[in-house]
This record gives sequence, structure tokens and C-alpha cells, in this order.
Amino acid sequence: QKEVEQDPGPLSVPEGAIVSLNCTYSNSAFQYFMWYRQYSRKGPELLMYTYSSGNKEDGRFTAQVDKSSKYISLFIRDSQPSDSATYLCAMRQGAQKLVFGQGTRLTINP
Amino acid sequence: DAEITQSPRHKITETGRQVTLACHQTWNHNNMFWYRQDLGHGLRLIHYSYGVQDTNKGEVSDGYSVSRSNTEDLPLTLESAASSQTSVYFCASSESQAGFRGNNEQFFGPGTRLTVL
Repeated sequence: QKEVEQDPGPLSVPEGAIVSLNCTYSNSAFQYFMWYRQYSRKGPELLMYTYSSGNKEDGRFTAQVDKSSKYISLFIRDSQPSDSATYLCAMRQGAQKLVFGQGTRLTINP
Repeated sequence: DAEITQSPRHKITETGRQVTLACHQTWNHNNMFWYRQDLGHGLRLIHYSYGVQDTNKGEVSDGYSVSRSNTEDLPLTLESAASSQTSVYFCASSESQAGFRGNNEQFFGPGTRLTVL
């Protein structure tokens, strides 16, 4: 079983929809949780970062961490075609190495 | 502006050949990482370095090696390329482990697409 599980999709939704992306993990020691966005044929870029449990909002993006359930989510409101990309969750324990999920490929249709 | 570059961007080679992928960063970061990205596996860590002369194995290090002689560069060498090493390779860098920024963001290069025939 992988340490971090992420549904690879692909996920296709109409423009304006609310998108929910999720990851589950098995290591309860993970403290730092990130979402990276990767456009086609580009390197990943950090989108959101959360420490421990709770919510964090940045414009149309909201990251949620539920440590009791070992579950993290990324919500995209009012989705735009420019949000079409692969979204990777990543997490780490203290200063340890990042562990990535498989990535979910998202397409927003105009 | 600081950046991280990779070369070549595309490479086709034959089984058994030695291949070296270059990674160069101007962030002056201590940490550098090499990942491979394959469908269904996400990003998997190959090797990483926390500073000059420091190298460590990641989860998929067999058949790969790295060396760190300066802060800016971490070349990745495939000693004898195999078809299973066909993949997209990403280099990344970040500040020191104990950086004040808890997210210790990793900055990624544009990737090298390697095909081994």
C-alpha cells in the first residue's frame, strides 16, 4: 500500500463548477501538507501549503486537512479552463523528504 | 531572476549507454532532488543532496548515481540505461532543512523527457 493515495482521474468538469480533489495517507506523523499544480510538459509549482489540521483559503482555492481521518482536500471554486492541470498532493514529517501522491489530471471544459 | 534549469529537455538513447542529465539552480539552495514521473506513480524520489559532497538514495535509486561538487549543480547519471528508465525526470531544489519557512518549498525544473530504446 502506498503511503499517499490519490485518485489519478482523469476528472473533467464544466467551467464554473466546484472541484474537489482528495488524498489519503497512512503516516500519522505527517505534519506539512501541500498541493502542487503541474501544467502539461512543465514542472510542478507549489499551489497551497497547510501545517497540521485545518483550512486555508487563497482566492478560489481552499485546502483542508483532517488529520484524524488522514485525509486532505483541495477545493477549487468557480473553476476556469486555466485551472486545467495535474494536481499533486505532497506531505512530509518535519524536515523529512516530501512524499507525493500519484496526481489527479483535471480538465475544465468551457 | 533565480531559476532552475535542466538539460537536455529531450533525450533518446540506446539500452546500455551511459547518460547524464544536468540540473543547475541559481537559488543558492542547499537541497537538491531528482525525481522521475511515470503514469500511475506520481513523482518518485531517485536521489537527493543536502549540500556539497552530500548525496543520499531515494526510493528508486537503483541504476542511478549523483555527485554534488558545488552548490549549483546536481547531475544525474544512468550508468547503463534500461528501457525501464524511460520517463520524465525532474530536478528540484529547496532551502535548508531547518529553514524558517515550514513549507520548505521545492522549486522544480522544466523536466527532461528520456527515452531508452
